[in-house]
Amino acid sequence: DTGVSQNPRHKITKRGQNVTFRCDPISEHNRLYWYRQTLGQGPEFLTYFQNEAQLEKSRLLSDRFSAERPKGSFSTLEIQRTEQGDSAMYLCASSLESTRERAFFGQGTRLTVV
Amino acid sequence: GENVEQHPSTLSVQEGDSAVIKCTYSDSASNYFPWYKQELGKGPQLIIDIRSNVGEKKDQRIAVTLNKTAKHFSLHITETQPEDSAVYFCAALYNFNKFYFGSGTKLNVKP
Repeated sequence: DTGVSQNPRHKITKRGQNVTFRCDPISEHNRLYWYRQTLGQGPEFLTYFQNEAQLEKSRLLSDRFSAERPKGSFSTLEIQRTEQGDSAMYLCASSLESTRERAFFGQGTRLTVV
Repeated sequence: GENVEQHPSTLSVQEGDSAVIKCTYSDSASNYFPWYKQELGKGPQLIIDIRSNVGEKKDQRIAVTLNKTAKHFSLHITETQPEDSAVYFCAALYNFNKFYFGSGTKLNVKP
């Protein structure tokens, strides 16, 4: 399977704990995006990378959130001191710079904070 | 930023009928408009897209139309099948960097 891969698919955590999600983009895709989706809503932009550089962050990305893409390949999204309001589906997408419009999404990581 | 509105929020059709979903956007600088299909528990799947220099694009049973002057675009699905049942999202690419999504349309195709 050469699509965008996200792990884990589901994560249940207690409030206050830290969690980390991983995204492996489509090979050779140099753009990588993180989105968050709550029930009944469309995905909301969080941040994106061009290779290893994080070029933009949404105001939704509070100080408790940090994303990295150290070698320009896979990316991680960490949430520290989780809150119940962080419960959502976290989606990763990737695209080629040359055809940057065409973004392909992974299956997402469903986070539940109890 | 950009604001994308999508209607209707739910749509129920009989198998074989057509379905139309409409979206409007606010920023005239947006120039790329994809449509995604999302099934329960899965990520959004790109099904068709259109760039601002094109008025219509068709791929088998699905088509998208774009009216740049009015800032609206629509998804048309003909000869609907039960497997078309899903949530559909429109989106607009803003500033070449990020997508703004509509709130989704839940399509139910009744056999």
